[in-house]
Amino acid sequence: DADVTQTPRNRITKTGKRIMLECSQTKGHDRMYWYRQDPGLGLRLIYYSFDVKDINKGEISDGYSVSRQAQAKFSLSLESAIPNQTALYFCATSERGSYEQYFGPGTRLTVT
Amino acid sequence: KNQVEQSPQSLIILEGKNCTLQCNYTVSPFSNLRWYKQDTGRGPVSLTIMTFSENTKSNGRYTATLDADTKQSSLHITASQLSDSASYICVVSAAPAAGNKLTFGGGTRVLVKP
Repeated sequence: DADVTQTPRNRITKTGKRIMLECSQTKGHDRMYWYRQDPGLGLRLIYYSFDVKDINKGEISDGYSVSRQAQAKFSLSLESAIPNQTALYFCATSERGSYEQYFGPGTRLTVT
Repeated sequence: KNQVEQSPQSLIILEGKNCTLQCNYTVSPFSNLRWYKQDTGRGPVSLTIMTFSENTKSNGRYTATLDADTKQSSLHITASQLSDSASYICVVSAAPAAGNKLTFGGGTRVLVKP
């Protein structure tokens, strides 16, 4: 019954590799977000999209890129992964005009 | 710089007891404050959302308070249950004039013991 799904759930990759994290939603929301969470720190916004043709940088976009393939899909790419990108990554969605955000289950990424 | 500070970082309570978590923020201009519950290995789930004009909101055994003058919020858990073991995250949203930017606190990790 998950409305926001993320794949993969866990991934181990090596420094320099390209990796893509995918997010899909069935909530019909226009707005989608990518966050990363590091131990003891608050979630930080990487990129967000208010519509299929709209892409915006968050506070920590360096080293990341995104693609909004459809209203329901928002992918996050690490072009050349580095160890300090090891973190928990969350996708979230929200409806226009609503304060509520709905989070996916997260992807645990380890870069060795 | 917008900041959200939560205290304590962690606490242990016995099942059935009450506890209160604190959140202090410096976000301005303010729009709303949210409390999320994050179970281990899961994404955050919203508990309450309060705007400037609201000073208390409940969701079952969770009650949040907001003092916009002192920029403080608290989350009170009543009659704790084992399932309350989780991290609780305070999130403050800036007003539309400031881009609706969200600032997340680092969370309080709660462990409820039988």
